[in-house]
Amino acid sequence: GAGVSQSPSNKVTEKGKDVELRCDPISGHTALYWYRQRLGQGLEFLIYFQGNSAPDKSGLPSDRFSAERTGESVSTLTIQRTQQEDSAVYLCASSLTERTYNEQFFGPGTRLTVL
Amino acid sequence: GENVEQHPSTLSVQEGDSAVIKCTYSDSASNYFPWYKQELGKRPQLIIDIRSNVGEKKDQRIAVTLNKTAKHFSLHITETQPEDSAVYFCAARGLYNTDKLIFGTGTRLQVFP
Repeated sequence: GAGVSQSPSNKVTEKGKDVELRCDPISGHTALYWYRQRLGQGLEFLIYFQGNSAPDKSGLPSDRFSAERTGESVSTLTIQRTQQEDSAVYLCASSLTERTYNEQFFGPGTRLTVL
Repeated sequence: GENVEQHPSTLSVQEGDSAVIKCTYSDSASNYFPWYKQELGKRPQLIIDIRSNVGEKKDQRIAVTLNKTAKHFSLHITETQPEDSAVYFCAARGLYNTDKLIFGTGTRLQVFP
């Protein structure tokens, strides 16, 4: 079946512009996560959604970052007034539910470059 | 909050040798410890995981051990092959303080033929 998809695969933007990154989770997966991975670095948790519960936004690095999710489907991560330090690969993952031992399936990521 | 430390950051082995990657976690309530493999330019993929009620789990050439008392867990790869070359991430999930996965900083494994 279809895995997690993300778009765009690459995004080049100018400093100060806003960007929107999209994630389509696996159908039926109630939990959705966003991570940031800087070049050669680890996976930095940003935010997760679980069903209709309030999202855990504890990993968002600043108020320029926000994310939304419509029901149990697509999610968008928005970065306002982008800065060069925002350059990274943004990975989305989904799982059946986050309160059990379920595997997180990752998307291919969006590589964001801020000039 | 939960913190996961991973060592070493890089590891080079000869094909056929074993490789061991170690992680420690801070939250004693953590109950789930997956390992992900990320090949160059690709997405992370789960390779093995262990729950807090077992001490060891094997799957062919890979195994994971967990020491709850010491709060550390390790990935063991035996008979390494060039295709094992990748970055490996450990992670821990807390039960009470946090429900999200906290990842280690990764280990870049290179297997030389």
